[in-house]
Formats: sequence, C-alpha cells, structure tokens
Amino acid sequence: QKEVEQDPGPLSVPEGAIVSLNCTYSNSAFQYFMWYRQYSRKGPELLMYTYSSGNKEDGRFTAQVDKSSKYISLFIRDSQPSDSATYLCAMTSSGSARQLTFGSGTQLTVLP
Amino acid sequence: GAVVSQHPSRVICKSGTSVKIECRSLDFQATTMFWYRQFPKKSLMLMATSNEGSKATYEQGVEKDKFLINHASLTLSTLTVTSAHPEDSSFYICSARAGTSGSGGQFFGPGTRLTVL
Repeated sequence: QKEVEQDPGPLSVPEGAIVSLNCTYSNSAFQYFMWYRQYSRKGPELLMYTYSSGNKEDGRFTAQVDKSSKYISLFIRDSQPSDSATYLCAMTSSGSARQLTFGSGTQLTVLP
Repeated sequence: GAVVSQHPSRVICKSGTSVKIECRSLDFQATTMFWYRQFPKKSLMLMATSNEGSKATYEQGVEKDKFLINHASLTLSTLTVTSAHPEDSSFYICSARAGTSGSGGQFFGPGTRLTVL
C-alpha cells in the first residue's frame, strides 16, 4: 500500500463546475498538507498549505484536512479552463528534513 | 511567493557526456534543496536531499556517483548527471525550503528536460 493514494483521473468537468480532488494517506505522523498544481512540462506550483486538521480558503480554492479519517481534499469553485492541470497532493511530518510524500497526481481538464 | 529558478530549461546531449543543472532560490535563502525526477504522467520521485555545506542524502536506488549534488551556497544547488545514458532522459525538478520556515512547504523550480541521445 502506498503512503499516499490519489486517483489519477483523468477528470473532465465543464467550465463553472465545482471540482473535488482527494487524497488518502496511511501515515498518522503527517502534519503538513499541501496541494500543488503542475502544468504540462512545468514545475509544480504551491497552491494551498494546511497544518493539521481544518479548512483553508484562498479565492476559488478550499483545502480540507480530516486527520481522523486520514483524508484531504481540494475544492475548486467556478472552475476555469485555465485550471486544467495536474494536481498533486503532498504531505510531510514534523521534522527537520521535511521531505514531501506526493500523491500520484490527478489530471484535470476544464472544458470551455 | 518564493521563486526558484533552474538552468538550463532543456538540454540535449550525447551519450557519455556530463550535464550540470543549476537550481537557484532567487529571493530567499534555502538551507535545504531537493532534487526530483519525473517521468511522463507520473508523480515526482525524490532523488536526494541537499543541505548547504554538507553532503547530500540520496534516496535508495539513486547512484550518488552518477548524480553528483553540490549545495555550495544558501541560494545554489547543482545536480550533475555524469556519463549520461538514454535511460537518464527525464524531467528533473528541484525545490527549495527556506531555512527559517516553520512549514513543510517547498517551492519548485520550473524543471529541466534532459534528453540523452
């Protein structure tokens, strides 16, 4: 079993839809949770960062963490064609090294 | 946000040559930098963790003599692929973490696409 599981998709939605992206994990030591967006042939871009459980909202993006269920989500409201990308969840435990464990990424296409 | 650059963005070389990739943190000091490799439609695979002024820590299965990492300053880390072969062709991405950051967030460079003929 992988430490972090993420549905690879691909996921296609019409413009304006609400998108829900999810990851589950098995390591209860993970404390920091991130979502990255990666456009084709580009490096990942940090979208959202959350510490421990709870919600965080930034514009059209909302990140949720449920540590009791070991489940994190990213919601995209009013999705746009420019949101079409691969979305990677990542997480890490406390510690000086802070190596990230990534999900496999979900490929999202928002159709105009 | 923090900016990380990589150079070159793309390189094509002949088999047997060595290639150096630079990773720079432009507006912050990075005590730790990470080097990843990514195959098409796959997630990032951590190759090594680079700490300024000390030897890099390599992940299992990554040849340290083939992938030489130097973290000479708080803003620069280099990855040298020695005696490159076609199977080394890949997308190499670095990331950097600010030394004083209390978070686990890393900022990624734009990546370097290496093609070995």
